[in-house]
Amino acid sequence: AQSVSQHNHHVILSEAASLELGCNYSYGGTVNLFWYVQYPGQHLQLLLKYFSGDPLVKGIKGFEAEFIKSKFSFNLRKPSVQWSDTAEYFCAAATDSWGKFQFGAGTQVVVTP
Amino acid sequence: ETGVTQTPRHLVMGMTNKKSLKCEQHLGHNAMYWYKQSAKKPLELMFVYSLEERVENNSVPSRFSPECPNSSHLFLHLHTLQPEDSALYLCASSQGTGGIGYTFGSGTRLTVV
Repeated sequence: AQSVSQHNHHVILSEAASLELGCNYSYGGTVNLFWYVQYPGQHLQLLLKYFSGDPLVKGIKGFEAEFIKSKFSFNLRKPSVQWSDTAEYFCAAATDSWGKFQFGAGTQVVVTP
Repeated sequence: ETGVTQTPRHLVMGMTNKKSLKCEQHLGHNAMYWYKQSAKKPLELMFVYSLEERVENNSVPSRFSPECPNSSHLFLHLHTLQPEDSALYLCASSQGTGGIGYTFGSGTRLTVV
């Protein structure tokens, strides 16, 4: 079955620490990968996406993600987090089939001052 | 605003009530979606409409009834809901499949009492 799994449900870290959130997907064939962020009380926003090409993708707000096909992974990273990065982060995968846009369970990230 | 507008933002309803959620997109997208976001669970895809035709229904109970009168509007009609249906209901739109241009609304926070 197709699925997206995120390794951590909650992450707490201090400002200026580095962040890495794990994401693995289980899909056959070509897949597009995404990371979304949801700040408290706000809508889901796209951080970055990978369709093809360079497996290291840079997104907004200093985030980047690396697609490793052999590991079926698409991990999100940020070298130095800020308090404003406190949010929930969702990994997602989509194929060219209708409705096959599946999200992971999300990782709640709390950055302490 | 994301280009996808959902109303109302908050809704409290009794189990015997009938209410409707509304979603409107002004992005020129040709597909619209309803998702359910519950605490500590992955986003659940409920319905997919492409060019006003339902193309996917993920085994959603009949007490949820979608309607897509045109490519810009999507409704979710609710009747005889259960307390476990309390959740954030998200609408999204996209241009075709593959997650291209996927844009979420801010959601309707539904509480069933």
